[in-house]
Amino acid sequence: AIQMTQSPSSLSASVGDRVTITCRPSQGIGDDLSWYQQKPGKAPKLLIYAASTLQSGVPSRFSGSASDTDFTLTISSLQPEDFATYYCLQDYNYLWTFGQGTTVEIK
Amino acid sequence: QVQLQESGPGLVKPSETLSLTCTVSGASISSSSYSWGWIRQPPGKGLEWIGNIYHSGRTYYNPSLKSRVTISTDPSKNQLSLKLSSVTAADTALYYCARYSAIDGIKFFDYWGPGTLVTVSS
Repeated sequence: AIQMTQSPSSLSASVGDRVTITCRPSQGIGDDLSWYQQKPGKAPKLLIYAASTLQSGVPSRFSGSASDTDFTLTISSLQPEDFATYYCLQDYNYLWTFGQGTTVEIK
Repeated sequence: QVQLQESGPGLVKPSETLSLTCTVSGASISSSSYSWGWIRQPPGKGLEWIGNIYHSGRTYYNPSLKSRVTISTDPSKNQLSLKLSSVTAADTALYYCARYSAIDGIKFFDYWGPGTLVTVSS
């Protein structure tokens, strides 16, 4: 099964900061990667799919990108409502795997 | 508007079978454009994919749970169900059902239920 290594596991940041979260798959997955935001007591919410496509209604400060080895979620200017836990999900070849999650906390 | 709602016992004894139902409204569980999945989250931990079922009845399961999991649908009730056998305390978690869109190769979970907490304890 494909493993997803997500980093960092947590980070502290201030409002207005640029935040970057990375997921690295254990093998190639094409662009079969999505990003989710989860707030305490709530179900995850889709932010990005196909590695870099912004889901309708999601603020444009969120973006996704891919390199040869990694996938990155960037929040260009952190807002108070963005403090949450973020997960990547790969869904290559009918076996889904979540990253371990990154908790974004207020500095 | 698509809505999903999980239901089932909140407490299950060790070695017994956990059974949950997800009732879907606003979308047909028989649609060929979607599959339907179960995901769980132990208290204070991350998300774990359990499995998905397609309109054809084809299922895909997490290899670590495959021997104990069965996912099925009841199109007449627009429901999907999850059965997890031989449960232990490690199966205590918040269980979510979710819709998985796979149209034109674009894939994601777009609608989720609020989740239901299942505790395994005697």
